[in-house]
Amino acid sequence: DTAVSQTPKYLVTQMGNDKSIKCEQNLGHDTMYWYKQDSKKFLKIMFSYNNKELIINETVPNRFSPKSPDKAHLNLHINSLELGDSAVYFCASSPTQWDEKLFFGSGTQLSVL
Amino acid sequence: GIQVEQSPPDLILQEGANSTLRCNFSDSVNNLQWFHQNPWGQLINLFYIPSGTKQNGRLSATTVATERYSLLYISSSQTTDSGVYFCAARSISSGSARQLTFGSGTQLTVLP
Repeated sequence: DTAVSQTPKYLVTQMGNDKSIKCEQNLGHDTMYWYKQDSKKFLKIMFSYNNKELIINETVPNRFSPKSPDKAHLNLHINSLELGDSAVYFCASSPTQWDEKLFFGSGTQLSVL
Repeated sequence: GIQVEQSPPDLILQEGANSTLRCNFSDSVNNLQWFHQNPWGQLINLFYIPSGTKQNGRLSATTVATERYSLLYISSSQTTDSGVYFCAARSISSGSARQLTFGSGTQLTVLP
């Protein structure tokens, strides 16, 4: 039983397209996150939601828009994709926003051509 | 914000050897975690250890919060231990900033 699942695992697309990544957790956690891992493996937080409410919004282009329909789901929509958006995007969850033991999904490898 | 530095950046071991990975942080922390990213990219949470010592099988971790560092020990290493080890920390003085800051990782290769 996968605890944090994200789809798709691979995403190859052309510059200028719009794409979405979906994430679901079945751990009953209140808080979910999107992280970006660049080509040098550096991990940086993008967004965090607590019970569907946005609580962390790092300096991310507004082409990236997260949406949380309920506390078990956090999706990431990206408009007008650029070459520099190529990276691995990880979804994660934690029990609460303060109890931050993180559980990660398996990642989505995004390649923009 | 808090700075998190890991050493060494790269480590190559023979199977069966022991190793110690270090994580230094620039501020007092209330959250410190260690992760393993395996060669397939999966990130696994190894320890949640803002202070003290924990053990899980061949792995153990110690955080000395007053001296602002944490150590991850791997004993009797196996090829499956290969991958990148990350530590991540959150400063006590981060206020409303709830996010963890990740170090740049230690790339571990265990040779058969």
